Amino acid sequence: KQEVTQIPAALSVPEGENLVLNCSFTDSAIYNLQWFRQDPGKGLTSLLLIQSSQREQTSGRLNASLDKSSGRSTLYIAASQPGDSATYLCAVSMNYGGSQGNLIFGKGTKLSVKP
Amino acid sequence: EAQVTQNPRYLITVTGKKLTVTCSQNMNHEYMSWYRQDPGLGLRQIYYSMNVEVTDKGDVPEGYKVSRKEKRNFPLILESPSPNQTSLYFCASSSPGQPNQPQHFGDGTRLSIL
Repeated sequence: KQEVTQIPAALSVPEGENLVLNCSFTDSAIYNLQWFRQDPGKGLTSLLLIQSSQREQTSGRLNASLDKSSGRSTLYIAASQPGDSATYLCAVSMNYGGSQGNLIFGKGTKLSVKP
Repeated sequence: EAQVTQNPRYLITVTGKKLTVTCSQNMNHEYMSWYRQDPGLGLRQIYYSMNVEVTDKGDVPEGYKVSRKEKRNFPLILESPSPNQTSLYFCASSSPGQPNQPQHFGDGTRLSIL
């Protein structure tokens, strides 16, 4: 059964730092991997999606990489800002028949960026 | 605007009183699902639907029912709610045949069962 782990569970950094959030998964037969952002009391916002055939995706200050063979993904945030403070969730969907829509989530990394 | 809409956003109710949380999407997505989010346990899937009249259990289906009579709607039904169903619930939709398209989530429904 697929398991998704995110390290660290919480992270506090000063404004302006570059940082990396880690996600690992146990079964490499993934369909895609998504990174989400969740603000307190709010829903999930999709940040980046990496298809299983891709190695990385970029959006603004965010870069997500995928190494399927080692079961790892990283989310790189450049020049962090207080507005980046949120919980970041990693989720994978599997490439088994009918499973592509089912997301398996990690427990998230709670990021705090101090001014 | 692409949207997944859940109602209500907040609900406090009592044990045993049937309730329904509605979910509607305007993106013509085939796939819809329900998740619950609990501290320390993360997000877990309750039920999903691959299309109209096609539903299946997720990881934590006990105590819940769903239906998919129309493509845009996927209500979550708690026939006899219990306190252990107090949680934050999310509805999501997607088109699984498009691996480059993300899942869209609603804003969540916070249920408190007393």
